[in-house]
Amino acid sequence: GAVVSQHPSRVICKSGTSVKIECRSLDFQATTMFWYRQFPKQSLMLMATSNEGSKATYEQGVEKDKFLINHASLTLSTLTVTSAHPEDSSFYICSAEGQGGSGYTFGSGTRLTVV
Amino acid sequence: QQQVKQSPQSLIVQKGGISIINCAYENTAFDYFPWYQQFPGKGPALLIAIRPDVSEKKEGRFTISFNKSAKQFSLHIMDSQPGDSATYFCAASMFDAGNMLTFGGGTRLMVKP
Repeated sequence: GAVVSQHPSRVICKSGTSVKIECRSLDFQATTMFWYRQFPKQSLMLMATSNEGSKATYEQGVEKDKFLINHASLTLSTLTVTSAHPEDSSFYICSAEGQGGSGYTFGSGTRLTVV
Repeated sequence: QQQVKQSPQSLIVQKGGISIINCAYENTAFDYFPWYQQFPGKGPALLIAIRPDVSEKKEGRFTISFNKSAKQFSLHIMDSQPGDSATYFCAASMFDAGNMLTFGGGTRLMVKP
């Protein structure tokens, strides 16, 4: 089945620094990937849709200059949290649609803690 | 506007019992309805999904029931086990490639031994 690898699984960074999260589709090509944010005991909130070779589409209220998304290849999308603040601490999850109608596969998530 | 409403928010079931989680949607253009299981600190994993051309789909102990006219669908977990304790999310989308999922609010299931 389709596998999406997300790295790192956990990261702690200092306020003001930037953090990059990678999302790779291991055995299929993903023209579209999605980035979500999840707060404790809450549902997934779509942040942006990442399209290979073009600019990401951000959901309303998501700062595009703060959450930089790059989808340079059919198997890799990255989310960079720039100038991180403690309020950016959250669980970030990517997903990609598998081939042949196999549905959306999610990465294992990244727990970001900004101190 | 929340387009997929999920209930209950939390559910406690005895081992061997049936867990039932319900979802209702508003957008009649939705044609793909998956259920995801999420354990703490992990990403959601696809459990089972249904398209609106069938009213029921069963995979092992998991069954989706779909009522197109009522715009509702539900997940039934038969013979619930402690290992099923997790958060379950229903979702909906238009199946064409690149269409995003709209998630329900989630249900935290606890199966007591």
